Amino acid sequence: NAGVMQNPRHLVRRRGQEARLRCSPMKGHSHVYWYRQLPEEGLKFMVYLQKENIIDESGMPKERFSAEFPKEGPSILRIQQVVRGDSAAYFCASSPSHIAQREAFFGQGTRLTVV
Amino acid sequence: RKEVEQDPGPFNVPEGATVAFNCTYSNSASQSFFWYRQDCRKEPKLLMSVYSSGNEDGRFTAQLNRASQYISLLIRDSKLSDSATYLCVVGPNNAGNMLTFGGGTRLMVKP
Repeated sequence: NAGVMQNPRHLVRRRGQEARLRCSPMKGHSHVYWYRQLPEEGLKFMVYLQKENIIDESGMPKERFSAEFPKEGPSILRIQQVVRGDSAAYFCASSPSHIAQREAFFGQGTRLTVV
Repeated sequence: RKEVEQDPGPFNVPEGATVAFNCTYSNSASQSFFWYRQDCRKEPKLLMSVYSSGNEDGRFTAQLNRASQYISLLIRDSKLSDSATYLCVVGPNNAGNMLTFGGGTRLMVKP
């Protein structure tokens, strides 16, 4: 039973380009969460999605960031016109239910570097 | 004030030592509490849940004090492999249903 799969593991983008981060949840998990971890800091919640729905995006920056979790395929976190401050590790977690993420499992993360 | 606060450390201890980490949280409505472990450049992994009655898992003991909004993790007989960052995690957050992570406490166990 594969765990949460994120790709790519490492992504380098020039300022102004777009970054697309993918997350495939564990089998049977329909709840996906995205977190961002800046260097030397803790994880910050960004967005919570269920299939085809954004449930809570209170942690998402108002501009340039978007997320989706289509009926088929992985969840996508999209960052447009990246800036140096977007450099971070982006972790995806999935769970079978939303109750305080009791069963949440994290993917290995995507490390975004903006040059 | 941060929602979940931890001493960032690092805590440098010799093998075999007992070490304790503390964490405070600001949201009195929080209902679930966890300790996660994060190795360098890896994903966080659940170490243990924390209950009001306290719970123990081998060398690890976690305790919760709701009145003081305080959580602790005790590691006995430290191993080199315990070296990691320990994240105090509380849910739900003010928005209602998310986990809030502390900044982590770094532990380094030396031979």
